Amino acid sequence: QKEVEQNSGPLSVPEGAIASLNCTYSDRGSQSFFWYRQYSGKSPELIMFIYSNGDKEDGRFTAQLNKASQYVSLLIRDSQPSDSATYLCARRYGNKLVFGAGTILRVKS
Amino acid sequence: GAGVSQSPRYKVAKRGQDVALRCDPISGHVSLFWYQQALGQGPEFLTYFQNEAQLDKSGLPSDRFFAERPEGSVSTLKIQRTQQEDSAVYLCASSTTDTLSEQYFGPGTRLTVT
Repeated sequence: QKEVEQNSGPLSVPEGAIASLNCTYSDRGSQSFFWYRQYSGKSPELIMFIYSNGDKEDGRFTAQLNKASQYVSLLIRDSQPSDSATYLCARRYGNKLVFGAGTILRVKS
Repeated sequence: GAGVSQSPRYKVAKRGQDVALRCDPISGHVSLFWYQQALGQGPEFLTYFQNEAQLDKSGLPSDRFFAERPEGSVSTLKIQRTQQEDSAVYLCASSTTDTLSEQYFGPGTRLTVT
């Protein structure tokens, strides 16, 4: 069983809307999570990391970690067509990252 | 400064051939990671180096896969007797020791085995 689960999508949102991407995990081990953005044919790009319960904001991005419910979310405010990409959730296990399969986001102008 | 670089960017190999993939990490980054990404999937961990020491190779799928980092900087991932199931993008990432988990990825090498 994969430790990190994501809905593959695609998630379609109109330009200017809030995009909400979710990731769930199955055990109460490491609580270090990372969101990467991956454009088609490109490598993953680190957007945010979150280690503690609650919200962490950086510009248009907000990461949310809920340890009790075992999910982590990424909110993208004022979505732009340039945000269209695959968003990968990753969890730290020791020295390595374990990734979900990614959610495809499409922002329609 | 320069990011993580990888070469070649694309490699086509006939089944049974050996291939070598190179990674140049960000200057000063102690930790180096190799991942394999199949189409439509997230990256899967292969192996991890701290300086020249290979501390974790639990993700290497078979003994045909071998990685080295002899001087603690450049790393090479070698695949012997390639098989079609080895076709994937091979990603290298690096990080500093004190921010071990903030890994920065290179552009990847797309390997196609025919």
